[in-house]
Amino acid sequence: AQTVTQSQPEMSVQEAETVTLSCTYDTSESDYYLFWYKQPPSRQMILVIRQEAYKQQNATENRFSVNFQKAAKSFSLKISDSQLGDAAMYFCAYNGGSQGNLIFGKGTKLSVKP
Amino acid sequence: DGGITQSPKYLFRKEGQNVTLSCEQNLNHDAMYWYRQDPGQGLRLIYYSQIVNDFQKGDIAEGYSVSREKKESFPLTVTSAQKNPTAFYLCASSSWLTGPLPGYEQYFGPGTRLTVT
Repeated sequence: AQTVTQSQPEMSVQEAETVTLSCTYDTSESDYYLFWYKQPPSRQMILVIRQEAYKQQNATENRFSVNFQKAAKSFSLKISDSQLGDAAMYFCAYNGGSQGNLIFGKGTKLSVKP
Repeated sequence: DGGITQSPKYLFRKEGQNVTLSCEQNLNHDAMYWYRQDPGQGLRLIYYSQIVNDFQKGDIAEGYSVSREKKESFPLTVTSAQKNPTAFYLCASSSWLTGPLPGYEQYFGPGTRLTVT
């Protein structure tokens, strides 16, 4: 069965600095999707960024970028120029196979210090 | 605006009562999902539906039931058989693609916080 592991329960970053959140996953599939979701205190889940496994190029969305290492099964999220509004829980998620379900990690709580 | 609505935002029930959580989407998505979120547990899949009048159990379906009579709606009933029903419940929807990798990114509703005493 596929699993997703986020090894950092909590992280902290200074405003305007850069932070990297880690995620590893386990799968025997060769094609799949990976996502990072943000959950602020409102608890609304917001899609931050997506990566298709067949694409070698790392996805970027404004200040958010990923480092996708397929062989190592690693999918880290880098947040540049951190802002106070980036403070939230961040969940890494995997989607592969015919069922189409998301498998989530347990999340990383990010704090941003002014 | 397209989106997913869940109601109510907060729900309180006495132990032994069944309760139904509403989820409606106007994104024209084929697939809909219910997740449960507990502190430190991430999100766990309860039920999902890829098409009207069909649904499948997820990882923690015991004590829950669903229906999918309309494409837009996927209500979740928490029955008295669910041993620990107090949790945050999230509904999501997604497109259902053709091919071997049909699932894609999911969009979430605002959630319902259920408290059972």
